[in-house]
Amino acid sequence: DIQMTQSPSSLSASVGDRVTITCRASQDIGIYLAWYQHKPGTVPILLISTASTLQSGVPSRFGGTKSGTDFTLTISSLQPEDVATYYCQKYNTAPWTFGQGTKVEIK
Amino acid sequence: EVQLVESGGGLIQPGGSLRLACATSGFTFNNYWMHWVRQAPGKGLEWVSRINRDGSEANYADSVKGRFTITRDNAKSTVSLQMNGLTGEDTAIYFCGKIGGGAVPVDVWGKGITVTVSS
Repeated sequence: DIQMTQSPSSLSASVGDRVTITCRASQDIGIYLAWYQHKPGTVPILLISTASTLQSGVPSRFGGTKSGTDFTLTISSLQPEDVATYYCQKYNTAPWTFGQGTKVEIK
Repeated sequence: EVQLVESGGGLIQPGGSLRLACATSGFTFNNYWMHWVRQAPGKGLEWVSRINRDGSEANYADSVKGRFTITRDNAKSTVSLQMNGLTGEDTAIYFCGKIGGGAVPVDVWGKGITVTVSS
């Protein structure tokens, strides 16, 4: 099965900082990579599909890029409400594996 | 409004069985693949299973293969997860989800249901 390696596992940044989270697939998954935001006690929110397509209603400070088998989620200006754990997920074929998650906190 | 509501969770002894159900409304159920994912305490999200639109195809994570079975009832707009041979590693919040249209993965989730496996 294809493995998804997400990094870092956690980060702390100041409000207004640019934040980058990376997810690497062990094999080619095309563009079938999603990013979710998950806050404790709530349901995951789909932020980005097909590596870079922002979902309706998601703030434009969130962005996704792809370079080969490396995928990046960028928050251009971190806001207090962005405190959450972020997950990548491959969905080209089953299993739809998640990355290990990145916990984002405010410094 | 799209709604997914899980039920059937609870406390179960190791080796036991439990059947989760996900009742849906607000969309044409038989047009969408359905998924289950889970989150164990202090752990990340783990994809569990999916089923196609007519119930003829299902996939499972290696961790549950042979123990869990996903089914759907398109007449009742529900998807179920039969869980057998439960262990402590299956303790988690279980979420059902529907995929979006086109190349969109799961875009709506239920609120989740807790399964605790303990003696």
